[in-house]
Amino acid sequence: TQLLEQSPQFLSIQEGENLTVYCNSSSVFSSLQWYRQEPGEGPVLLVTVVTGGEVKKLKRLTFQFGDARKDSSLHITAAQPGDTGLYLCAGERLGNQGGKLIFGQGTELSVKP
Amino acid sequence: DVKVTQSSRYLVKRTGEKVFLECVQDMDHENMFWYRQDPGLGLRLIYFSYDVKMKEKGDIPEGYSVSREKKERFSLILESASTNQTSMYLCASSLWPGGYEQYFGPGTRLTVT
Repeated sequence: TQLLEQSPQFLSIQEGENLTVYCNSSSVFSSLQWYRQEPGEGPVLLVTVVTGGEVKKLKRLTFQFGDARKDSSLHITAAQPGDTGLYLCAGERLGNQGGKLIFGQGTELSVKP
Repeated sequence: DVKVTQSSRYLVKRTGEKVFLECVQDMDHENMFWYRQDPGLGLRLIYFSYDVKMKEKGDIPEGYSVSREKKERFSLILESASTNQTSMYLCASSLWPGGYEQYFGPGTRLTVT
């Protein structure tokens, strides 16, 4: 059972388009993180959201944590080829011990010039 | 600059061989993790360690064991490699309880033939 469901799993768009990636769960999370992974490398943290309803911006990327802390979204404005990669959401469950995270399946984004 | 290194980027082993994957971090982190990454399944936790000589099973520990004799080093052992263990293996460390961000190594792509 996947506790964090990401959609879509694959996304192929043209440079300049906007896109949104979703990360949904029936569980409540203390916090949620988004990572980006390039081919041949490990994931790298983009952002952590902690408060329900929180919105964070990182240049053209906007991250939102749902009010109930069960879901999150990543919106990219005017995508560029350099945004190509695997985007992973990861949640820290309530009462978690040890710093364990639950990862979604990932969204494979391809931005064509 | 934080660094997590893994002993091999690519590894090919035969069925039944004993396989050692090594991970070293230079950040003095307490927690270390081993994941496997398969397409469409995201990252699945195999084992994690919250202190030297301390370990806990993750979601898919069967067929694997770990060793943490020193704080900076966390080893994953495949006692008798099987073809269904062909995968990308990622090691990570985190500063928990000082933070939940996980720092990943570049991964080891293991092929078992």
